[in-house]
Amino acid sequence: QVQLQESGPGLVKPSETLSLTCTVSGGSISSHFWSWIRQPPGGGLEWIAYIYYTGISDYNPSLKSRVTISLDTSKKEISLRVTSVTAADTAVYYCATGGHVTTPLGYWGQGTLVTVSS
Amino acid sequence: EIVLTQSPGTLSLSPGERATLSCRASQSISGSYLAWYQQKLGQAPRPLIYAASSRANGIPDRFSGSGSGTDFTLTISRLEPEDFAVYYCQQYGTSPLTFGGGTKVEI
Repeated sequence: QVQLQESGPGLVKPSETLSLTCTVSGGSISSHFWSWIRQPPGGGLEWIAYIYYTGISDYNPSLKSRVTISLDTSKKEISLRVTSVTAADTAVYYCATGGHVTTPLGYWGQGTLVTVSS
Repeated sequence: EIVLTQSPGTLSLSPGERATLSCRASQSISGSYLAWYQQKLGQAPRPLIYAASSRANGIPDRFSGSGSGTDFTLTISRLEPEDFAVYYCQQYGTSPLTFGGGTKVEI
């Protein structure tokens, strides 16, 4: 069974870059699409982006100009970078399998809270 | 993008009762690629239903999904104490993937 673990700094200053890593265990990184989803405190869920091991990716247009998703097959890690963060980027960030059109979000990590504050 | 509207916002029921949750899409969802997730406080969403009506692995049969096009329903036939949570629908037929705003099922 695939297990996902998100990691990264819990606090980021406004205008800086947020960087997160999702580490995969118990499965092959070439067997799934990999997504990032976020959820602000007390709010709903927002899909951010997905990537496949071949390098194909897709982004939510609402965030596309500030977001980069990448994948390191040797380390079995999926990374997310969000530039020029504001308080609106404060959220729990989840990684999950799936996210390509016709591919549901299956396995989820436990999430990591990122707070944007000076 | 496809906007998903869930109703009601909150459903107040008792254990043993039937819960009916609605998810309406702003346009037809391709292939009925509609999923339902359960989320408890402080936890990640848990997949319940895929493709509108297929239960995910390990999900009890009191959970069922139905619908097509723009109207979808999640039914919990007899609420157990552990079912009180927030439920989200999500479409994955068209990019960007989108979620509904959630329905809270409370005692």
